[in-house]
Amino acid sequence: DAGVTQTPRHEVAEKGQTIILKCEPVSGHNDLFWYRQTKIQGLELLSYFRSKSLMEDGGAFKDRFKAEMLNSSFSTLKIQPTEPKDSAVYLCASSLVQGRGTGQLYFGEGSKLTVL
Amino acid sequence: GDSVTQTEGPVTLSEGTSLTVNCSYETKQYPTLFWYVQYPGEGPQLLFKVPKANEKGSNRGFEATYNKEATSFHLQKASVQESDSAVYYCALSRSNYQLIWGSGTKLIIKP
Repeated sequence: DAGVTQTPRHEVAEKGQTIILKCEPVSGHNDLFWYRQTKIQGLELLSYFRSKSLMEDGGAFKDRFKAEMLNSSFSTLKIQPTEPKDSAVYLCASSLVQGRGTGQLYFGEGSKLTVL
Repeated sequence: GDSVTQTEGPVTLSEGTSLTVNCSYETKQYPTLFWYVQYPGEGPQLLFKVPKANEKGSNRGFEATYNKEATSFHLQKASVQESDSAVYYCALSRSNYQLIWGSGTKLIIKP
């Protein structure tokens, strides 16, 4: 089975631009997560979907970050407008929920965003 | 709220020495505990998980015991290898979806 696929792997944007990151979860998984990873803040949850329904929209990330799950096999994360402080690695992960609580998260390789 | 605290890195060791990465957690619920590992250029991947108190998880020579009384889940390995160089994350999940992550511990193994 294919793992989580993220594109692009690298993105360079000018301040104020709109960027869209893409994610294809593991086939059959019903949970999908977007995280931002930086050296200072570590892993920060941006959005969480269960069976395509938005369950968590990341609080402080609401204003310029929007994640969508267009179907069960594709999700996007839009950042609009970008700012230099958005430079980070954006990770997508999926999981198959079984029984109580969460199962194992499967992560993609990440999209590294640099905002100039 | 829930939290996870782990050894601040980087931790630098020589090949063949033993490793302990401390992890302590706070939660009022009954969590499942995880250790994830992240190699350069990759996303984190599960090392192992332990859903029950007082049980041990292990994989690739790493192990950790879910100590409910001490609220700890320390990662240990008897003899590290250069290929173990990575960032290690302790995490807990509650009865809902969310994983609470530690800050990560970068491990550097010198040959």
